[in-house]
Amino acid sequence: AQKVTQAQTEISVVEKEDVTLDCVYETRDTTYYLFWYKQPPSGELVFLIRRNSFDEQNEISGRYSWNFQKSTSSFNFTITASQVVDSAVYFCARDAGGTSYGKLTFGQGTILTVHP
Amino acid sequence: GAGVSQSPRYKVTKRGQDVTLRCDPISSHATLYWYQQALGQGPEFLTYFNYEAQPDKSGLPSDRFSAERPEGSISTLTIQRTEQRDSAMYRCASSLGPTPSYEQYFGPGTRLTVT
Repeated sequence: AQKVTQAQTEISVVEKEDVTLDCVYETRDTTYYLFWYKQPPSGELVFLIRRNSFDEQNEISGRYSWNFQKSTSSFNFTITASQVVDSAVYFCARDAGGTSYGKLTFGQGTILTVHP
Repeated sequence: GAGVSQSPRYKVTKRGQDVTLRCDPISSHATLYWYQQALGQGPEFLTYFNYEAQPDKSGLPSDRFSAERPEGSISTLTIQRTEQRDSAMYRCASSLGPTPSYEQYFGPGTRLTVT
């Protein structure tokens, strides 16, 4: 499987700080998809975003933004003006490539703690 | 249904016992995935179904693990002769089709503890 690496195991910030979660992925494919999921303390996995490898435009959704750089195989996630409710484990993922039929390969996750 | 549901939410079993976990996907979704998530790790793919077909079971750790989806809707994951290393969160996800262009909706998971 083509690996996904989230170098930051844990990040701790104070409310209203901006925070960036890093994600680097391996790829041997021309076409692939990248994802971010959030796992709040309640434990469910919540979909945040999906990007196609052909679409390198950065995306902003409220306080969330994503920076996709094919040249460095990175898909970083920034939370602006963080809030306590953003505390969660965040997973970056990609499809497994080839004829993967949608199965996802996840990074190991980054634990984000936002202190009041 | 409105979302993906899984049962039981928690299961404690003794080593050597068999367990069966259930996943009820979103009703319009053709594709169903099973993932295993160890503590402190990301989910890892086990197997998937497209309707009742099971084209890929490459992620099943051993022949003690099996999954079914006989009518193309509800799926079960069975672990025979459980071992302590099987302790994990087992997550089910469903999507409209078997491509990454469709979002996968995850259920709440079943936390399995083997004592």
